[in-house]
Amino acid sequence: SQKIEQNSEALNIQEGKTATLTCNYTNYSPAYLQWYRQDPGRGPVFLLLIRENEKEKRKERLKVTFDTTLKQSLFHITASQPADSATYLCALVRGYSTLTFGKGTMLLVSP
Amino acid sequence: NAGVTQTPKFRILKIGQSMTLQCTQDMNHNYMYWYRQDPGMGLKLIYYSVGAGITDKGEVPNGYNVSRSTTEDFPLRLELAAPSQTSVYFCASSYSGTGGDEKLFFGSGTQLSVL
Repeated sequence: SQKIEQNSEALNIQEGKTATLTCNYTNYSPAYLQWYRQDPGRGPVFLLLIRENEKEKRKERLKVTFDTTLKQSLFHITASQPADSATYLCALVRGYSTLTFGKGTMLLVSP
Repeated sequence: NAGVTQTPKFRILKIGQSMTLQCTQDMNHNYMYWYRQDPGMGLKLIYYSVGAGITDKGEVPNGYNVSRSTTEDFPLRLELAAPSQTSVYFCASSYSGTGGDEKLFFGSGTQLSVL
């Protein structure tokens, strides 16, 4: 069956360090992968989309990689700040245009 | 623009009661979705719609119904509420395009408890 796996344990890092979150998937051949941020009590907010023919995508302090051979995406936040503390979700296309989400990884950035 | 608006924000239902969760978007998106999110679990797709008059089931449609009479509105109906439907419900919309650039815009959610 199709699975999306994100580390269920919270990631604790110090301010200024680089946070790296992992998204692994099985039995998918996604054309693209998306990352979302979710704050407590709020809906997810879109951050980045990366296509299968793109190895890397950057947006300000965010960087996403997509390795279709390893079936893995890495999400990096450089120079992390306490305001980056949130849950980060990866999502893959299922069917024509519906997304399947991972359970998310909570990131905690301490001052 | 308000984006995606959901009402109510919170609701407590008794077992067997019915209710409708409202969702409206002002971005003229063709695609709309309903997800539920249980603690520690990922978002699960309940139903989606690719345009007015067209709806389809997602992963977990049992116990729910939807309709899409206009582009803007996509209500979710619970007919006979059960404790298993206690969850946070999110409505989302996206621009219908080709090529796969289907980023979703989410509402702020409805927290539903069935007791």
